[in-house]
Amino acid sequence: QSALTQPPSASGSLGQSVTISCTGTGSDVGDSNSVSWYQQHPGKVPKVIIYEVSKRPSGVPDRFSGSKSGNTASLTVSGLQADDEADYYCCSDVGDTRLFVFGTGTKVTVL
Amino acid sequence: QVTLRESGPALVKPKQTLALTCTFSGFSLTSFGMCVSWIRQPPGKALEWLAFIDWDGDKYYNSSLRTRLTISRDTSKNQVILTLTNVDPVDTAAYYCARVRHPWNFFDSWGQGTLVTVS
Repeated sequence: QSALTQPPSASGSLGQSVTISCTGTGSDVGDSNSVSWYQQHPGKVPKVIIYEVSKRPSGVPDRFSGSKSGNTASLTVSGLQADDEADYYCCSDVGDTRLFVFGTGTKVTVL
Repeated sequence: QVTLRESGPALVKPKQTLALTCTFSGFSLTSFGMCVSWIRQPPGKALEWLAFIDWDGDKYYNSSLRTRLTISRDTSKNQVILTLTNVDPVDTAAYYCARVRHPWNFFDSWGQGTLVTVS
């Protein structure tokens, strides 16, 4: 269970878009329909923003979208707002097990 | 309304055993599909999944920490307990418990977390 690989940082201007990648292996991301994404503001509890690769929980704006291709999942934040500045973590289950692995995390800065 | 709350010691000495309790409400851990997981986050670092217990009492562990971790439940008290043996300063972290609902394998509700320092 090695951590999924995310870029340490990403940035975009207000109103623009930013995309974060999350690379795993054929045993986790590549074999999972349960990739999820979490937003964490400084000092706060993580909050799920995407589950099952591309679904949004109730209350999460449609500016947040998820996708997956092969062993890499992606999170796109469109129409960047100041409040989107946060750390983002991907997570995948491992095959048909109840094991999970998180990504290394990406700090998003809104310019 | 689903709530989870972690409790346990704020400070533990090296080589001791850490015991954390997650007290939850708003769901039953014996209902089909309900699961509770533990996740930790060292200061300034990434989230790390630790362990998982499901409605049947089945348990799953991070393979890197499997020999040191034990997860259990007390369904009468709506509690999930995590123990970590032989702690080291690298185990210093905020420890979170979170709910998972099968088959939607994601953490939909989180506790506020409890910071544990090993020193």
